Parts: sequence; structure tokens; C-alpha cells
Amino acid sequence: GAGVSQSPSNKVTEKGKDVELRCDPISGHTALYWYRQSLGQGLEFLIYFQGNSAPDKSGLPSDRFSAERTGGSVSTLTIQRTQQEDSAVYLCASSYKRDQPQHFGDGTRLSIL
Amino acid sequence: ELKVEQNPLFLSMQEGKNYTIYCNYSTTSDRLYWYRQDPGKSLESLFVLLSNGAVKQEGRLMASLDTKARLSTLHITAAVHDLSATYFCAVDGEGLQGAQKLVFGQGTRLTINP
Repeated sequence: GAGVSQSPSNKVTEKGKDVELRCDPISGHTALYWYRQSLGQGLEFLIYFQGNSAPDKSGLPSDRFSAERTGGSVSTLTIQRTQQEDSAVYLCASSYKRDQPQHFGDGTRLSIL
Repeated sequence: ELKVEQNPLFLSMQEGKNYTIYCNYSTTSDRLYWYRQDPGKSLESLFVLLSNGAVKQEGRLMASLDTKARLSTLHITAAVHDLSATYFCAVDGEGLQGAQKLVFGQGTRLTINP
């Protein structure tokens, strides 16, 4: 079946602009996760959504970052007033149950000029 | 705060040899995951380890978990070039409502030379 889908695959934008990254999880997966992967910091947890519960935002690096998940499915990660240090690959993952692995999308490579 | 450390971070080995990657973590958890990442690609799940003493094997890879020692190992037997990739362990920091809150190790970049 279809995997986790992310768009765009690449995004280049100027410093100070806002960006929106989209994630479409595997159908039926109740949990959705966002991570950031960069050379200096490795893989960092950003935020997760689990069912109808309030999201765990504890990994968001600043208040310029926000995310929402509409209808328990598609999620959007928004970065406002982008900075060069935001350049990274942003990965989305989803899972069905606690004891099953997360399935990752191909990521969005974000470059801030 | 949960911390996860892998070693080695870089590993270059010859085909046919055996080696082990270690994953240590700092706080109690009984859920650990191993992932593989090829260059420019996303993460692929390899193993799910859910209890002390768990051992999983797939082909030339075998993973184990010792929750008392807070240690997992990924053993490679008779390595072949196709296993060249970066391997990550991730420990479940126990999110709310049954979600996983994974903390990843730094990754081990494995290069297998013919």
C-alpha cells in the first residue's frame, strides 16, 4: 500500500520567508511524528500527534515552528521567518500501534538562502 | 533526559568479516528500534525489540536488547557490500497516549569494502 508521503521533496527559500511542509501518513495510522535531520544535530524529534490527544510539542526548537494535523490525517509543519539554521531534512513518520515501528516518508530537504 | 549513544560512529570493514554496533541509553526503557538509512534516502525499519533479552535476526543482521544494562547490539555476520548504510538505534522515551517518543543515536556509518 501507499507509504508516508511528504511534499515538497525540496524547498529553497530566502531567509525570513515562511514555509509549509506537508505530510500524508499511512491510512489508519493514529500517530504522526515530525523529525529534523541535520549534519550537526543528527535526528531530532520535533512534535507528535496521537489520535485526538493534544500534540506533544516539546521538541519544537522555537516559537517560529508550529504544526497541525487536520482530521486525524494530513499534517502541516510551518516554519515562520525562516533562518539559515533551519536548513535540514524534515522527516515525517507514522505508526499504528505503540509496539510497531514508525514508517518514514522520504523527507523534505529545506534550504534557506 | 534520555540520551542514546552509538559506537562506533564510523565503521569500515571488509566483506566476509563480523562486527558489532553498540547502542547505550541512559534511562529505563524496554522498547528499542533499529533503522537503516541509505544515502539520500529515508529511514527503513529493521528491528523492533520490546523486552529484556529480545533477539531478532534477519539475514546477516541480528539485534539484541539488554534492558538491565541499557544496551542493544546490532551484529553483522559475514558482511556483504549491500549492507553499507547508516544504522540508527532509537529508544522509546514513552510519549503520551501510547505514542512513541523516539530518541535516536547519532548513527553508525558502515562501509563494507569488497
